[in-house]
Amino acid sequence: ETGVTQTPRHLVMGMTNKKSLKCEQHLGHNAMYWYKQSAKKPLELMFVYSLEERVENNSVPSRFSPECPNSSHLFLHLHTLQPEDSALYLCASSQAGFAYTEAFFGQGTRLTVV
Amino acid sequence: AQSVAQPEDQVNVAEGNPLTVKCTYSVSGNPYLFWYVQYPNRGLQFLLKYITGDNLVKGSYGFEAEFNKSQTSFHLKKPSALVSDSALYFCAVTGTASKLTFGTGTRLQVTL
Repeated sequence: ETGVTQTPRHLVMGMTNKKSLKCEQHLGHNAMYWYKQSAKKPLELMFVYSLEERVENNSVPSRFSPECPNSSHLFLHLHTLQPEDSALYLCASSQAGFAYTEAFFGQGTRLTVV
Repeated sequence: AQSVAQPEDQVNVAEGNPLTVKCTYSVSGNPYLFWYVQYPNRGLQFLLKYITGDNLVKGSYGFEAEFNKSQTSFHLKKPSALVSDSALYFCAVTGTASKLTFGTGTRLQVTL
């Protein structure tokens, strides 16, 4: 248990569906991240929120829409996904502004797009 | 731009033998270096980090890592491997940009 909780753990969705991934942290951190992990590819940083403001968006398609309502919660809204979006989506949190502090990861959501 | 290289996709070692997982980095300014481990269908777990000071850093589960500034390396080591150490290991770096950059990962396979 890392203090970062992701739900659901597994999600199967059709290409026309709309779903959301949820991440919650109880570590008092003020930065949260979404990563995409695909087989045989490097870990891809998707979005960064620092102090509830989006500070990084790494050319992610608009079918992925993040939301950070407060420093403890992070969502990833999904719509009209493609099969190549199937991956493990990881949420992480850390203390913003301190490059030497480690990030804590959730267990991930395994997404399958059919 | 900062980067991390993990030259080995997989490392195989027999239980009881020492293990090394290699990592080299490129970053502006002083590096902050991290190792994470990932078990199947799980998130990444923090193992250890180098900030400053002693070049040999000790972490969880008996792992340690050696920072070598001249070779820009931060290799992960363990004196005696266990089958339960089998997992995917990621090296990561931050620098002045405070952005965490990961390597591609190295799969460690420990056999009896």
